[in-house]
Amino acid sequence: NAGVTQTPKFQVLKTGQSMTLQCAQDMNHEYMSWYRQDPGMGLRLIHYSVGAGITDQGEVPNGYNVSRSTTEDFPLRLLSAAPSQTSVYFCASSYFRDTEAFFGQGTRLTVV
Amino acid sequence: DQQVKQNSPSLSVQEGRISILNCDYTNSMFDYFLWYKKYPAEGPTFLISISSIKDKNEDGRFTVFLNKSAKHLSLHIVPSQPGDSAVYFCAASDSGGSNYKLTFGKGTLLTVNP
Repeated sequence: NAGVTQTPKFQVLKTGQSMTLQCAQDMNHEYMSWYRQDPGMGLRLIHYSVGAGITDQGEVPNGYNVSRSTTEDFPLRLLSAAPSQTSVYFCASSYFRDTEAFFGQGTRLTVV
Repeated sequence: DQQVKQNSPSLSVQEGRISILNCDYTNSMFDYFLWYKKYPAEGPTFLISISSIKDKNEDGRFTVFLNKSAKHLSLHIVPSQPGDSAVYFCAASDSGGSNYKLTFGKGTLLTVNP
């Protein structure tokens, strides 16, 4: 049972480049979400999904796209990377909306 | 406007003593609260939760207290151990709302000294 798997663990992008952060869970959880963690800012919700085919915006969605074609996968796309998107990104999943969320190990992204 | 506030960025305690981490919230619709622990270079891990119908929940060395009238909750760790040194995040949700999301505080760095 791998839990929540994020890839890659580290990434350096140039301004304007695009990329996709991958997130997969094998717990058959309906709820998945993406957070970013910045120094002194805690965890801020980017996008979330309550099931396959259903996504919604969180607190800081600008510059990011998501889709949920399967229960297992919830990729986060950066369309045109900006230095302000330098952060650590966490993917999380949970069975019910208010139960404990399981987090991945994180992706440390640097945009230069 | 920050809806979940952890006003102490850091806390240092001696091994064996009690650690008390505090969290305040402003949204009266929040009715479910969770604490997560995070070690460096790892994802947060769930620690303990409490529903607004309770005022206390205990799990081993960890106890969470909820004061709804004050919109305040606290996490007590007794006795504190060096392995408890980590960043602790308070999170809250509105279980009756149409949107699912956890709102996190900024975290408190706990250091337990041997």
